[in-house]
Amino acid sequence: EAQVTQNPRYLITVTGKKLTVTCSQNMNHEYMSWYRQDPGLGLRQIYYSMNVEVTDKGDVPEGYKVSRKEKRNFPLILESPSPNQTSLYFCASSLAPSPGGGEQFFGPGTRLTVL
Amino acid sequence: QQPVQSPQAVILREGEDAVINCSSSKALYSVHWYRQKHGEAPVFLMILLKGGEQKGHEKISASFNEKKQQSSLYLTASQLSYSGTYFCGTERGNAGNMLTFGGGTRLMVKP
Repeated sequence: EAQVTQNPRYLITVTGKKLTVTCSQNMNHEYMSWYRQDPGLGLRQIYYSMNVEVTDKGDVPEGYKVSRKEKRNFPLILESPSPNQTSLYFCASSLAPSPGGGEQFFGPGTRLTVL
Repeated sequence: QQPVQSPQAVILREGEDAVINCSSSKALYSVHWYRQKHGEAPVFLMILLKGGEQKGHEKISASFNEKKQQSSLYLTASQLSYSGTYFCGTERGNAGNMLTFGGGTRLMVKP
C-alpha cells in the first residue's frame, strides 16, 4: 500500500531533550516536506526537500533540522525542543514539484508536547 | 504571507451549496485545495494553475483568477461527507512545490 509513515505518533518530552521524528514514504517520491499545524494558523511549512541531499527552509524553520540521505526517508530533528514547538506535525511527499506531481500525500501526523 | 481564507467557518444543511474563498497578496503560480477531516491527515482535492482554469472533483469544483490572485472552491449539493476543514495552498513560483497554506475553513454539513 502506497503510504507515508511517521513515528512516533504521539510524543511528550521535556524542554531541551533532543528528539527525532521519522518520516518514510514507499512511493519513490522525489519531493518531501514537513509541516506543523496549530489552531487557526493552518499548515505551515518547516522544511522541504527536492531530492536526496537537497533541502531548503520553509516558512518556519527556526529550531528544526532535517536531513535527506535516502530518497524514502526525511527525518525531522529538534535539537533543543521548547514549549512553543508543541504542535501537530505532518510529513508529506509528492512525485515532483507542481504541476505535474504536485499532489501531496500526507502522513498520519505526530502530536508533540514539550513540557 | 499566508493566503487568507473566508469564511472561517460555515454550517450547511445537506443539499445546500457553499463557496470558500482564498486570496493572496502575492502573484501566484498555482493554488492547491485540501480537505482534512477531524483527527486525520489532509487529503488532496485539486490543483489549479494560473490561467483562470476551473476544475472539478465530483460535486466540488474550483476556479483560479490569477489577476486577482484569488481562488474559490465550490461545493454543490453538499453531503455529510463534505464536513471537515478545507485548506488552500498557494505556490508563488514553480520552485519546488513551496506551498503556503491558509488558515483553513471549517465546514459542517448537518442532516
